[in-house]
Amino acid sequence: AQKVTQAQTEISVVEKEDVTLDCVYETRDTTYYLFWYKQPPSGELVFLIRRNSFDEQNEISGRYSWNFQKSTSSFNFTITASQVVDSAVYFCALSEDDKLIFGTGTRLQVFP
Amino acid sequence: DTEVTQTPKHLVMGMTNKKSLKCEQHMGHRAMYWYKQKAKKPPELMFVYSYEKLSINESVPSRFSPECPNSSLLNLHLHALQPEDSALYLCASSQDTRLVNTEAFFGQGTRLTVV
Repeated sequence: AQKVTQAQTEISVVEKEDVTLDCVYETRDTTYYLFWYKQPPSGELVFLIRRNSFDEQNEISGRYSWNFQKSTSSFNFTITASQVVDSAVYFCALSEDDKLIFGTGTRLQVFP
Repeated sequence: DTEVTQTPKHLVMGMTNKKSLKCEQHMGHRAMYWYKQKAKKPPELMFVYSYEKLSINESVPSRFSPECPNSSLLNLHLHALQPEDSALYLCASSQDTRLVNTEAFFGQGTRLTVV
C-alpha cells in the first residue's frame, strides 16, 4: 500500500536558519508523482512542487530546494534562510491514480 | 485566475440543520474534489468528480451529499451531521483526475462546527 511518512511533527527555528523537512514514501508503482504542499493558518493548501519518479534531479526555486532520492525513497524539502512567513504546516504527498496520499505533515514555526 | 473559491468560510450548524458548502473554479478544470481535514491531521479524500460525474466516493456517510451542477461548481449538501463531523472541508480542482499529469489547486476551506 502507498504510504507517506513525515517523521518530524514539529520544527522550530529562528529566522535566517536553514531547515530541512523530511519525507519518506512507500509505493509499488514504478511511475508515480510526489508533491509538497504548504498550509498556512488560513487553511488553504498551497501547491509547491510536483516531481515524477523518473526525474531525480534536485530542484531549486528561490529559497526552496528539493532533494529526491529514489534509492532511499525520500523527497526532502529545504528552506534556506527561513522567514517568519514560512511558518505553516507542510505536507508531502504521493499520487495514487486519482488520489493524493498525504503524510501527516510537519508544523514549522519560524521565530523572529 | 488560479483560484478555488469556497463559501462560506465558517459555518456553525445544529445536528438537525440542512446546509450546503459551495466551491467554484474558473480554470477550466474537469476534476473537482472534496477533502475533510480534522485538526492536526492530513486531508482525507471524500469525493472526486470527473467531467461532472461522481467517480470516487470514499465510503462517505450519506449525510454528506455531493453535487456538481456544472464544470465550475461543486456543492456539498449536509444533513443530520454529528459533532464529530466538525472539521475543515477543502475543495480542490485539477486539469484532470490523473494526478500524475497535473497538480491539484485547493480552496481555503470551510471551517464547519456541528453543535
